[in-house]
Amino acid sequence: DTAVSQTPKYLVTQMGNDKSIKCEQNLGHDTMYWYKQDSKKFLKIMFSYNNKELIINETVPNRFSPKSPDKAHLNLHINSLELGDSAVYFCASSAVGGGLKETQYFGPGTRLLVL
Amino acid sequence: QQQVKQSPQSLIVQKGGISIINCAYENTAFDYFPWYQQFPGKGPALLIAIRPDVSEKKEGRFTISFNKSAKQFSLHIMDSQPGDSATYFCAATGSGNTGKLIFGQGTTLQVKP
Repeated sequence: DTAVSQTPKYLVTQMGNDKSIKCEQNLGHDTMYWYKQDSKKFLKIMFSYNNKELIINETVPNRFSPKSPDKAHLNLHINSLELGDSAVYFCASSAVGGGLKETQYFGPGTRLLVL
Repeated sequence: QQQVKQSPQSLIVQKGGISIINCAYENTAFDYFPWYQQFPGKGPALLIAIRPDVSEKKEGRFTISFNKSAKQFSLHIMDSQPGDSATYFCAATGSGNTGKLIFGQGTTLQVKP
């Protein structure tokens, strides 16, 4: 059974479109994250939710909006997609947030290509 | 101050050799330093982690060396194997960081048979 799953795995779309990426974890974790990995493989955190509450909101364009319907799910909606949004987006989860350091488990990634 | 600097960007090692990847940080509030391993097409996975109250941690062929005064830490892979070929990321976080990991730039390791 996959611990952290993401859908879709690949996403190819046109500039200006709106798209969503879904993430689910079956580990019973309280905290979930979204990371962006660019073409140089640099990993940067975008958002984090702890028990459905937003706790990390990095400097990300407001075209990106996370939503956590429950603590097992964290979705990422992107409006008005731009070429520079092309990247791999990873969802991750951990047992505890709020300053404690627990292992973050990453999903397989969603490869977004904006044409 | 939130940066973690990692080097080298890429590394080629012969099978059986030692791979060494170095990281440096500035924020003295960081108190947890994990290393993540990422294979092509996969998500990163925790490899090994250390807290600054110890200078070394070893798990199998993987060792983290930590120098608190120099604010540096490194990953040593002993007896490197072709299966170790991957991208390695050092990271850091601290209390009050709400679990936020600051990643280094990554090192792509190739172990030649």
